[in-house]
Amino acid sequence: AQSVSQHNHHVILSEAASLELGCNYSYGGTVNLFWYVQYPGQHLQLLLKYFSGDPLVKGIKGFEAEFIKSKFSFNLRKPSVQWSDTAEYFCAASRAPGGFKTIFGAGTRLFVKA
Amino acid sequence: NAGVTQTPKFQVLKTGQSMTLQCAQDMNHNSMYWYRQDPGMGLRLIYYSASEGTTDKGEVPNGYNVSRLNKREFSLRLESAAPSQTSVYFCASSDPRDRGLNEQFFGPGTRLTVL
Repeated sequence: AQSVSQHNHHVILSEAASLELGCNYSYGGTVNLFWYVQYPGQHLQLLLKYFSGDPLVKGIKGFEAEFIKSKFSFNLRKPSVQWSDTAEYFCAASRAPGGFKTIFGAGTRLFVKA
Repeated sequence: NAGVTQTPKFQVLKTGQSMTLQCAQDMNHNSMYWYRQDPGMGLRLIYYSASEGTTDKGEVPNGYNVSRLNKREFSLRLESAAPSQTSVYFCASSDPRDRGLNEQFFGPGTRLTVL
């Protein structure tokens, strides 16, 4: 069955700490991978996406993610977090190309202490 | 561009009542989706519409119906609400023909409580 697993449900960091959020997927065939972010009280918005080419993708606000096909992973990283990064982060996958169904992970709540 | 809009923002229902959640997008996207978001479970797909005139079940369709009214609008109906349907509902749209990439754009959500 298709699935997306996020390793941590809650993460608490201090400002300037480095962040890595784990994501593994189980999906037959070629996939597109996404990280979405949901800031408190707001709707989901795209942080970054992978669909082909360089496995290291860069997104908004200094986030990046690396697609490692052999490990079925797409981990999200940021070298130095800020208080404003407090949010819930969702990893997601869909079949490529043009798959309609997107499977989301359970989400990771990040709290950054000022 | 308003993007994806949803109404209402909040709703409280009694068990057995019915209601329709409305969603509209102005990005000329072909595909539209309804998700529910529950704590610790991420987003789960209820129904989707790959293109105007088609609808398909997602992971958790029981207790819901949908209508793709036209290219812009996709509504979700609860015929007889149950407490298990208490959730936050998100509508989304996308155009998978765009580089074969199903990047989704989300509405602000509807917070529904069923008593």
